Amino acid sequence: IQLTQSPSFLSASVGDRVTITCRASLGLSTYLAWYQQKPGKAPKLLIYGASSLLSGVPSRFSGSGSGTQFTLTISSLQPEDFAIYYCQQLNTDPPTFGQGTKVEIK
Amino acid sequence: QVQLVESGGGVVQPGKSLRLSCAGSGFTFSSYVIHWVRQAPGKGLEWVTSIFYDGSDQDYADAVKGRFTVSRDNSGSTAYLQMDSLRHEDTAVYFCARLDSSGSDRFFQYWGQGTPVTVSS
Repeated sequence: IQLTQSPSFLSASVGDRVTITCRASLGLSTYLAWYQQKPGKAPKLLIYGASSLLSGVPSRFSGSGSGTQFTLTISSLQPEDFAIYYCQQLNTDPPTFGQGTKVEIK
Repeated sequence: QVQLVESGGGVVQPGKSLRLSCAGSGFTFSSYVIHWVRQAPGKGLEWVTSIFYDGSDQDYADAVKGRFTVSRDNSGSTAYLQMDSLRHEDTAVYFCARLDSSGSDRFFQYWGQGTPVTVSS
């Protein structure tokens, strides 16, 4: 299953609302996760089951969608949110990742 | 606390072999499927392989099938990635990750810090 994220790159300011989209080549139900990765670090799980926020993750992060279209929204971008975000499907083995969306400071 | 620690990375010539280790602690290692994911320099995340709880089943990405072998030693809480016939394109940071679940949802909540592999002559 192929995952396509858009945009691949976005430039935003602190306080902005940011939305990242992940489209799947086949239906996933809600078996989709979102990760945040900072340079030199392992990915960090944010959202699973398309919309379930992992305990301890700030509530400004939210996920939605089902089937083939999903979104990750950051309601008010904070300095520590500048990173690369990946979606991952776990509906069908092998679990594949989107190509990533880099969020940079405007 | 749950920890995964990779080791064994390094610089290796094309065609040679390397074995990576992923040591787990803070949880019952034998109760979890372990995955390996790699990230080439400046690139995205690429799933590599997975191994079932007891090692009875494995799955591989096409790019590594026939060259890489995943195994585990549950008594030592360690998973291994044997990489043979290495190619330049295998250059990456290799992460191991634990497959977690909540209800029917699955996800990689715990990851190691990664170990770098460079294939270069």
